Amino acid sequence: SQTIHQWPATLVQPVGSPLSLECTVEGTSNPNLYWYRQAAGRGLQLLFYSVGIGQISSEVPQNLSASRPQDRQFILSSKKLLLSDSGFYLCALIPGQGNEQFFGPGTRLTVL
Amino acid sequence: AQSVTQLDSHVSVSEGTPVLLRCNYSSSYSPSLFWYVQHPNKGLQLLLKYTSAATLVKGINGFEAEFKKSETSFHLTKPSAHMSDAAEYFCVVRVRNSGYALNFGKGTSLLVTP
Repeated sequence: SQTIHQWPATLVQPVGSPLSLECTVEGTSNPNLYWYRQAAGRGLQLLFYSVGIGQISSEVPQNLSASRPQDRQFILSSKKLLLSDSGFYLCALIPGQGNEQFFGPGTRLTVL
Repeated sequence: AQSVTQLDSHVSVSEGTPVLLRCNYSSSYSPSLFWYVQHPNKGLQLLLKYTSAATLVKGINGFEAEFKKSETSFHLTKPSAHMSDAAEYFCVVRVRNSGYALNFGKGTSLLVTP
C-alpha cells in the first residue's frame, strides 16, 4: 500500500521568508499528486495538482508554486511568505492504478 | 463545475442518539461523492464513497450515506453517536477537470455530549 511522507510536521516562519514543503510517496508509481491547504475554520482548498513529472496545474493564483522533480516527489514553495499563507497543508495522491485519494499527515504552517 | 454545500457548520448530539450531517451537491455529471472525517490534530480519513453503484453506501464506524438524485443530496447518518465520533466531517465531490482532485465542503463540526 502507498505511504505519503510530509515534512516538516510544523513550521513557524516570518513574513517575507521563503518556504519549501516536501512530499514524498512510496508504494505506487506514476501517481496523481495534489497540494491542498486548510485555513483556520475553512474546508480544504486545492492549490496544485500534477499528473506526471514536471507537469503542474495551478488552481488558485497566489504567491505559491509547486514542482515535481521526480515521480514520487512533490514540492510546495514560496519566495516570500504572507500572513495569509498560514494554514494546514496536505499532500495527497491517487495511485497509478486506482481512483481513491489518500492524504498525508500534513504540515501546519504559521506565518508571523 | 462540481461542488458541495454542507448545510450545517456545527451539529451537537447526545451520546446514543442519531447523527445526521447534511450535504447537497451540484454536478453536471453523475458525481463521485465522499465523506471524510478529521479528528483533532490528525489527518483525513475516508468514511465512505459513492461512485454510481448502490445509492445507500455503508462506511466505517457505522456511518452510512444515501445518494438521492432527486434531492441532489448525500447526507451522512449514524444510528447511535459515540463520544469518539466528535470530529470535523467533510462532504466531498470529485472534480473531473482538475486531475480528479477533490472539491471539499466547508465542513461540519460534530459535538457529542454525554
